[in-house]
Parts: sequence; structure tokens; C-alpha cells
Amino acid sequence: SAVISQKPSRDICQRGTSLTIQCQVDSQVTMMFWYRQQPGQSLTLIATANQGSEATYESGFVIDKFPISRPNLTFSTLTVSNMSPEDSSIYLCSATEGLGGSYGYTFGSGTRLTVV
Amino acid sequence: GENVEQHPSTLSVQEGDSAVIKCTYSDSASNYFPWYKQELGKRPQLIIDIRSNVGEKKDQRIAVTLNKTAKHFSLHITETQPEDSAVYFCAASNAAGGGADGLTFGKGTHLIIQP
Repeated sequence: SAVISQKPSRDICQRGTSLTIQCQVDSQVTMMFWYRQQPGQSLTLIATANQGSEATYESGFVIDKFPISRPNLTFSTLTVSNMSPEDSSIYLCSATEGLGGSYGYTFGSGTRLTVV
Repeated sequence: GENVEQHPSTLSVQEGDSAVIKCTYSDSASNYFPWYKQELGKRPQLIIDIRSNVGEKKDQRIAVTLNKTAKHFSLHITETQPEDSAVYFCAASNAAGGGADGLTFGKGTHLIIQP
């Protein structure tokens, strides 16, 4: 199955600043996604990272707050902008080849973000 | 959009007994249903999945059943062991060859295996 490397693994940031999270897949994948997991909660889809075009955001998430890049089929970034303590969470990237793939959706190890 | 309900939120079973976790989904277009195990501080790990053209799938002690008519799917773990203790998430998506929607997750079940 695909292996996803995500960095940083954790960070403590000042409110009002921005953090960019990187996600690297060891093979070309059709789809990449970004999720948020608040402490003790389930995963919530933030957006689909589309290669060569703007990301598709879920209800409640906007591009100005969570700009996403996907320059090629193996790499994506998520930026958390103008951070506030409410943004403290774990952010995970995920990838899949689609239904035709053999490994379903794989996840990166996550970035634990604390905003102070 | 899709909505996935998961029950129970906490499940405590004796070691060696079976555990069953149930999920329902709302979008009839969903066709892919994975189950993930997440240990504390770790990433979700896929343990089994099922596609909508199959009613049941088994992998050793783990099985998943799907009822498309009722929009219901369940995870069954037999002969539970202490290492099965974790949070389990069900999910659903509309996945097609070459493309897929993101996953919609249930709220999770904290499975506790009592020795």
C-alpha cells in the first residue's frame, strides 16, 4: 500500500500566525484529502486536494483559512492561516487510488497543532 | 451530504467474546465502506472494507456485513484479544474507478477488552 509521510508531526504556534503542513506519498495517487480530528473526536473532511486546480472544500471550511496546494500526484500542502486556539487539533492527510485501487484510503501520521 | 451514524460509542466485552459495532449511512450513492482502528496517538489503520456489490467480507477474526436496502453495515470481531482495545471508526464514500469522494466518518466506538 502507499506510504504517506507528513510533517511536521507536531507544532506549537502563536495565535495570528500560519502553519503549512506537508504530505508526501511514495507513489502517484489519484486523490488526496485533508482531515481534522479534534481531541477525542472523529475525523472531519476539510477538502479534496485536486491536482492542477483549486481544492474542493467541505461545508464550514474556506480557502482563505485553509489554502491547499497539490502541484503533482504525490505531494500536497495544507496551510492553517491566522490561527486561533480553536484551530488546535490533529490534521491528517489521506490518499487513495480510487475504487480501482487495492489499498483503500491511507492516512499520514498526522500533525498535532497547538495554538497558544 | 452523507451522514454516518455509529453505535455504540463505548463497548466493553470480556476477552474471548465477540464485539459488534453498527453503522448506518444516509446517501444511497455511497458504495465503499471501510472500518478503521485508531490507537491512542496513532493514525487510523484500515482493518477491513466492503464495496456495495458485496454483502459480507471476512478476514480472520474480523468480518463486515452490508445491507444496502437498510443502509446499514456492521463490524464483527470474534475471539477478542487485549490488543483489540482501541477506537474503531466506520466510514462511507462514493468511490469510482480513477476517482473518489472523501470519507465521511462515524463518531467512533471505544472498544474495551476486559481481561
